[in-house]
Amino acid sequence: DGGITQSPKYLFRKEGQNVTLSCEQNLNHDAMYWYRQDPGQGLRLIYYSQIVNDFQKGDIAEGYSVSREKKESFPLTVTSAQKNPTAFYLCASSSSADQPQHFGDGTRLSIL
Amino acid sequence: GQNIDQPTEMTATEGAIVQINCTYQTSGFNGLFWYQQHAGEAPTFLSYNVLDGLEEKGRFSSFLSRSKGYSYLLLKELQMKDSASYLCAVSPSYDYKLSFGAGTTVTVRA
Repeated sequence: DGGITQSPKYLFRKEGQNVTLSCEQNLNHDAMYWYRQDPGQGLRLIYYSQIVNDFQKGDIAEGYSVSREKKESFPLTVTSAQKNPTAFYLCASSSSADQPQHFGDGTRLSIL
Repeated sequence: GQNIDQPTEMTATEGAIVQINCTYQTSGFNGLFWYQQHAGEAPTFLSYNVLDGLEEKGRFSSFLSRSKGYSYLLLKELQMKDSASYLCAVSPSYDYKLSFGAGTTVTVRA
């Protein structure tokens, strides 16, 4: 079955450490997205990519980085510059702007 | 910036009807999505409105008024499994970005 796979489901970060969240899709979608969700808040866009080898900053890109070397993969790195990384991170993909985004099951990141 | 407002919480009885309103003020408009999200899970797509009017899908319907910057999601014949957060999201322009509201938590009681 086609879908989006995020890993790991739970991740713990030490102070000063960079961590990378994986997102893979086999839906053949061109566009991929990373969102952050905090309790009581809506999804906030971190980065998005409309096509391979291209990506744009979303509303809260500071302290994060991404790459899009393959159509299927859009990993997110949470750097040590992100001072409040504890959140639920969701990856999504879509075939075009007027089509719904399909979401992965999320990664819950916590600070040790 | 984009401003999307939804009520924070709503409670209803099993078998009843609930209407979740969403108002938006955005720099542009190319469509409005509704998603359902159960606690700790991924959002799932419910509906997409781009033209004014009502779109019906089984127990769920969604309405849009572009001139009023207003949409609602109507949930009929409520079931316990409908207890979830419902997210309104607007596509302000044709650049793939979505702006989400904070979500409305619906609790269905027996």
